[in-house]
Amino acid sequence: EVQLVESGGGLVKPGGSLRLSCAASGFTFSDYTMNWVRQAPGKGLEWVSAINSAAYFIYYSDSVKGRFTISRDNAKSSLFLQMNSLRADDTGLYFCARSANYDSNAFDIWGQGILVTVSS
Amino acid sequence: SYELAQPPSVSVSPGQTARITCSGDRSAKQHTYWYQQRPGQAPVLLIYKDRERPSGIPQRFSGSRSATTVTLTISGVQAEDEADYYCQSTDNSGDYVVFGGGTKLTVL
Repeated sequence: EVQLVESGGGLVKPGGSLRLSCAASGFTFSDYTMNWVRQAPGKGLEWVSAINSAAYFIYYSDSVKGRFTISRDNAKSSLFLQMNSLRADDTGLYFCARSANYDSNAFDIWGQGILVTVSS
Repeated sequence: SYELAQPPSVSVSPGQTARITCSGDRSAKQHTYWYQQRPGQAPVLLIYKDRERPSGIPQRFSGSRSATTVTLTISGVQAEDEADYYCQSTDNSGDYVVFGGGTKLTVL
């Protein structure tokens, strides 16, 4: 079964750091571009970052650029998001999502999400 | 920054047709994607490249694009279709992904 499972979320104080992980299974992880997408409580989806299969191309939304770092370990089929200088408006559910092999802008597989709460 | 606008809500009765629009300036190469998100669940890809359906998505979901508007059409709406729907595209460079604000579909 194709699956993505996020972990590493939790409660952190403003200015703190957190590292999210996404474990992939059921497909050849190293063949796919991967993404992080977040959703603030009661709000819509917001794309956060993308990394291509070999980690040559990396992109960030303006709201996280300079604070978040996306990375991957293809040998371990894992995706990561290092989040530094966290702010209250970073609070939300963070999803990892796979880009489809037929269209890299189509997110065809999603994890269930992991909650990040930034609060003092 | 590039933005996509969706109506906040759409309501239809079971069996009717629901149409959800997604507005925003885009070139022919900026395709639109549609996702369904039921409460407490992860989004599901419904439509890619404006009108293509991934395998497993029912035929009652369709996408269309005119010169000015991109539309998700749900024919023969069922109670289980009650959810939030998001459109997605990219900016002009194609490197940055943008989501619309979402539309809550209510089945009366």
